[in-house]
Amino acid sequence: GDSVTQMEGPVTLSEEAFLTINCTYTATGYPSLFWYVQYPGEGLQLLLKATKADDKGSNKGFEATYRKETTSFHLEKGSVQVSDSAVYFCALSDSTSGTYKYIFGTGTRLKVLA
Amino acid sequence: DVKVTQSSRYLVKRTGEKVFLECVQDMDHENMFWYRQDPGLGLRLIYFSYDVKMKEKGDIPEGYSVSREKKERFSLILESASTNQTSMYLCASSLLQGGNQPQHFGDGTRLSIL
Repeated sequence: GDSVTQMEGPVTLSEEAFLTINCTYTATGYPSLFWYVQYPGEGLQLLLKATKADDKGSNKGFEATYRKETTSFHLEKGSVQVSDSAVYFCALSDSTSGTYKYIFGTGTRLKVLA
Repeated sequence: DVKVTQSSRYLVKRTGEKVFLECVQDMDHENMFWYRQDPGLGLRLIYFSYDVKMKEKGDIPEGYSVSREKKERFSLILESASTNQTSMYLCASSLLQGGNQPQHFGDGTRLSIL
């Protein structure tokens, strides 16, 4: 079945460092891919999405490119801030089977130090 | 902006009690979902619904039931609460059309069963 694999955290970075959080997926069809962010004590918020191969999603300085050849959707940010400290979830949605289930990775905690 | 509202942020109940968690969305979304979130396990789907009075089991439905009498409201019911149901519960909604629609989440209910 479909699955999403994220790098394990926690990831600890200094402010202004470059961020990469790896995400790879397996899917039988042509999924849409998402990154969500969860701040402490809150639900998940959509960060960015890509719906087809080579699409780049971007928001708030974060970017991710849908790479079909490597089945990856890695999250990047050029210069992180303390306020980016949160848990990041990679997810896919594959409607090929006729249902609209979403598959989530286990989440990667990011801690940014001032 | 889509608003998904969960009735309680924190809830403490006793084993054997029947527990109701309520979720309301204000954007006329067809799909609604209930997840539980546990450390190291990510999000696990309990039930989802794609229309009023329709429901489908997710990955971990045992010990839970749901009700969707109105389009905007999706209730999760713990028939007889047990300590292993202590968790964070997240409600989400999305549009029906296509798997490329993101989910919108509530802030979660942290449920403790004593």
